[in-house]
Amino acid sequence: AQRVTQPEKLLSVFKGAPVELKCNYSYSGSPELFWYVQYSRQRLQLLLRHISRESIKGFTADLNKGETSFHLKKPFAQEEDSAMYYCALSGRRAYQGAQKLVFGQGTRLTINP
Amino acid sequence: EPEVTQTPSHQVTQMGQEVILRCVPISNHLYFYWYRQILGQKVEFLVSFYNNEISEKSEIFDDQFSVERPDGSNFTLKIRSTKLEDSAMYFCASSEEGRPSETQYFGPGTRLLVL
Repeated sequence: AQRVTQPEKLLSVFKGAPVELKCNYSYSGSPELFWYVQYSRQRLQLLLRHISRESIKGFTADLNKGETSFHLKKPFAQEEDSAMYYCALSGRRAYQGAQKLVFGQGTRLTINP
Repeated sequence: EPEVTQTPSHQVTQMGQEVILRCVPISNHLYFYWYRQILGQKVEFLVSFYNNEISEKSEIFDDQFSVERPDGSNFTLKIRSTKLEDSAMYFCASSEEGRPSETQYFGPGTRLLVL
């Protein structure tokens, strides 16, 4: 079974402080991991995916297969980072077809001035 | 930049009524999805669609649900006889390809309220 756990529903940090949003997953195969973000009154949008190994808006996430984690980090939080963040997993399948995303509960990040 | 669009943005219906939620995926995308999010809960997968047929469906997607791509642009989700527990935000998404690493692009959602 595929499962994604985000243990923190709410996270509040001060501007300029480091941020870490936790994500753990459960999947028997080799997963693809994503972070999606939803800013106020906007749609869900991709923030980053582990396969790209990129930094977006100062955020990075490293896939740790030993700990089955994909935590999202940013060294210096900014007020515009306030949003809902969702960790998601997509598993590999043997046959062609659309790949579903399995989402975590989401973490609401608030950056205080 | 192309976006996924959904109509209506809000829908209120009586229990037992049929509803059709509409989505226009990004034009060159071939893979389509419906997800839902009940208030306060996680985003849940409902169904995926490719090559005019369902690729995968979740346990939620029972006989009351159906999907269709009636023309070259629209992708619809029909709920035949709505229940109170169908009240949720419904998201449509599309992707260019079906690889696990492929980005899915989400619409703004339709908020469905069943009374």
